[in-house]
Amino acid sequence: GAVVSQHPSWVICKSGTSVKIECRSLDFQATTMFWYRQFPKQSLMLMATSNEGSKATYEQGVEKDKFLINHASLTLSTLTVTSAHPEDSSFYICSAFDRVGSPLHFGNGTRLTVT
Amino acid sequence: DAKTTQPTSMDCAEGRAANLPCNHSTISGNEYVYWYRQIHSQGPQYIIHGLKNNETNEMASLIITEDRKSSTLILPHATLRDTAVYYCIVGARGGTSYGKLTFGQGTILTVHP
Repeated sequence: GAVVSQHPSWVICKSGTSVKIECRSLDFQATTMFWYRQFPKQSLMLMATSNEGSKATYEQGVEKDKFLINHASLTLSTLTVTSAHPEDSSFYICSAFDRVGSPLHFGNGTRLTVT
Repeated sequence: DAKTTQPTSMDCAEGRAANLPCNHSTISGNEYVYWYRQIHSQGPQYIIHGLKNNETNEMASLIITEDRKSSTLILPHATLRDTAVYYCIVGARGGTSYGKLTFGQGTILTVHP
């Protein structure tokens, strides 16, 4: 089955630094990938849609200058949390579908802790 | 707001069937019902989806009422490893909103020995 891989699985960074999270589709090409965020004891919330070769589209309330998304190839999307602060500490999860009509496949998430 | 409502939590004995209900009374004609589950600190795992007919795969069965306003996910023989948060989600299978899932709070299923 289609596999989505994220790296790293967890990261701890200091306040004010930037962190990059990678999302890869291992056995299929993904022109579109989706980034979700999950705060403790809450459900997943869609942050943005990553489009290969074009700009990402962000959901309302998500700062595009803070959460930089790059989708440079058909198998890789990256999310960079710039100038991270403790309130950005969360579980970040990416997803993609391997063909139109297939269910979304999710990565195993990246737990970000900002100290 | 999520377009589905689910019980907050449910318990099930190991080896018994787990029946998880979901209400989606405002579902549109082109929207599917998807079920995912999330085990602690992992990404959601796809379980099953359907439009109007009942569906079965190696993981579970999905029963959708004739009016499509509710559905039930059935895990026929629950194991301890099935303990997770189960999300019922409705969404289109194409178009501009495809892939943009709205997760509700889900049902915390606890399978006990």
